Amino acid sequence: LAKTTQPISMDSYEGQEVNITCSHNNIATNDYITWYQQFPSQGPRFIIQGYKTKVTNEVASLFIPADRKSSTLSLPRVSLSDTAVYYCLVGDKGSQGNLIFGKGTKLSVKP
Amino acid sequence: EAEVAQSPRYKITEKSQAVAFWCDPISGHATLYWYRQILGQGPELLVQFQDESVVDDSQLPKDRFSAERLKGVDSTLKIQPAELGDSAMYLCASSLDQGGLGSDYGYTFGSGTRLTVV
Repeated sequence: LAKTTQPISMDSYEGQEVNITCSHNNIATNDYITWYQQFPSQGPRFIIQGYKTKVTNEVASLFIPADRKSSTLSLPRVSLSDTAVYYCLVGDKGSQGNLIFGKGTKLSVKP
Repeated sequence: EAEVAQSPRYKITEKSQAVAFWCDPISGHATLYWYRQILGQGPELLVQFQDESVVDDSQLPKDRFSAERLKGVDSTLKIQPAELGDSAMYLCASSLDQGGLGSDYGYTFGSGTRLTVV
């Protein structure tokens, strides 16, 4: 599975848009990019998954440039409840395997 | 929304004692995972089951940890004897299949068991 690099932490204020970038220079052709969110004392929760260009759901958007060596998770108009750790994972969607987490990005949203 | 059930939610045990955690995955999910998460770190895989069979236990400290999923449904993770360094959150997750990053809705995690060894 490709290794990922994310900022350790980010700060934001309520109502702002937050963009968290993940680097994955060694991403393979069959790899997908997936983001998870984890609140304190809870298990990680799936947010969004994509392969290329842009994916949007009711929670977030995922932007993936043409070279796919990085990706950006965009959270629109964050609230205090978006304070959490966000993990970027890269791997083959169809292969036998398991999720390998890094340290993630700790997002702190302030009033 | 279907959930992965874990119990107990919190556990405090003394060093050298035995401790066990239980997980009930989402109904129909063939693949079950146990992860350990140390405070400030990302979750690390301990063991992966496909139905009742162990698929990957390469990171499981087998001298003290054991895991079983006898009927391919719920699962138990045991530590004996517990050590101070075992203090962590133990997370269970399940998915429909072994598909790498999983389906479009990913893996589903339980809320975990917070273990404190004193």
